[in-house]
Amino acid sequence: AQSVTQLGSHVSVSEGALVLLRCNYSSSVPPYLFWYVQYPNQGLQLLLKYTSAATLVKGINGFEAEFKKSETSFHLTKPSAHMSDAAEYFCAVSGGWQGGKLIFGQGTELSVKP
Amino acid sequence: EAGVTQFPSHSVIEKGQTVTLRCDPISGHDNLYWYRRVMGKEIKFLLHFVKESKQDESGMPNNRFLAERTGGTYSTLKVQPAELEDSGVYFCASSQGAGGLTDTQYFGPGTRLTVL
Repeated sequence: AQSVTQLGSHVSVSEGALVLLRCNYSSSVPPYLFWYVQYPNQGLQLLLKYTSAATLVKGINGFEAEFKKSETSFHLTKPSAHMSDAAEYFCAVSGGWQGGKLIFGQGTELSVKP
Repeated sequence: EAGVTQFPSHSVIEKGQTVTLRCDPISGHDNLYWYRRVMGKEIKFLLHFVKESKQDESGMPNNRFLAERTGGTYSTLKVQPAELEDSGVYFCASSQGAGGLTDTQYFGPGTRLTVL
């Protein structure tokens, strides 16, 4: 069965600093991985997804993630944080016999300090 | 193009009452998903419709929950009778395609349900 673990329920960075949100997955089959972001009072929005085409995936708003099979990781990064990046971020996996449904991590709330 | 909409945005009911949540997917999206997030926990899958058919309802917690999608357009999720542990945020998502593993799911803003 698939599962996702996000390390750190809260991450705080200064504006302009590197953002690193950690995601590790467990999957018995090649996984498809997603990062979603939720801004206050809004629905989840797709940031990027890994579908096996390339291990380094670029998404919206300057975010990117690298799929590392040997480490079973799909960490999300952004070189320079902006105040508008403050939100909750979710890593998710789909795959295997479970079909198109997404299995989410616990979420990481990102705070950006001025 | 309108996104996924959900109604109501908030609902407060007493234990034992009935509540019906509604989701309108993006027009033309055959796949509709329901998820739930209980406070402090991860978002969990409830069920998946393809058009009007239930493709996967393995996440439905018990028979107090009934989901329908008549005509393959909007969907309703009824909780009857509601229990305290049903409190949480209920998300709806929709996607084009065949409901495959790489389809992008578009999420609504959620309905926050509080059972007192």
